[in-house]
Amino acid sequence: NAGVMQNPRHLVRRRGQEARLRCSPMKGHSHVYWYRQLPEEGLKFMVYLQKENIIDESGMPKERFSAEFPKEGPSILRIQQVVRGDSAAYFCASSTGTGAYGYTFGSGTRLTVV
Amino acid sequence: GENVEQHPSTLSVQEGDSAVIKCTYSDSASNYFPWYKQELGKGPQLIIDIRSNVGEKKDQRIAVTLNKTAKHFSLHITETQPEDSAVYFCAASGSGNQFYFGTGTSLTVIP
Repeated sequence: NAGVMQNPRHLVRRRGQEARLRCSPMKGHSHVYWYRQLPEEGLKFMVYLQKENIIDESGMPKERFSAEFPKEGPSILRIQQVVRGDSAAYFCASSTGTGAYGYTFGSGTRLTVV
Repeated sequence: GENVEQHPSTLSVQEGDSAVIKCTYSDSASNYFPWYKQELGKGPQLIIDIRSNVGEKKDQRIAVTLNKTAKHFSLHITETQPEDSAVYFCAASGSGNQFYFGTGTSLTVIP
């Protein structure tokens, strides 16, 4: 039973480019959460999605960031026109249902904007 | 919103000694408190959690205590081993779907 799969593990983008981060939840999990971790800081919530629905995006920056979790395929976190401040580790977690129990995190995507 | 503070930010202990990490939270509605271990280059791994209807929970060398009145909870690792070296994060969650994380404690166990 594979865990939460994130790819790519490392992503380098030039300023102004787009970054697309993918997350495949654990088998049987239909709830996906994205968190961002800046260097030497804790994880900050970004968005919570269920299949085809955004449930809570209170942690998402208002511009340039978007997320989706289509009926088929992985969840995608998309960052348009990246800036150096977007450099961080982005972690995806999944769970079986609502509430905060049973979170499983992926290994993250480390985005570097040059 | 919830605010979670974690101390200390770094901790060094001799192998075999105990390590204690403390967290405080601000929202009395929070009712679930997980602890995560993060090794270099990896994602956070859940090591133990506690719910607000319980004061203490233990799993082998790891224990967590919760004081709801004072709004603080602690992680205790006994008989530390070099492989316990990692960054540890506490978190709090209430009726919402997100976790509020502390800023982490970098634990070093010296052989």
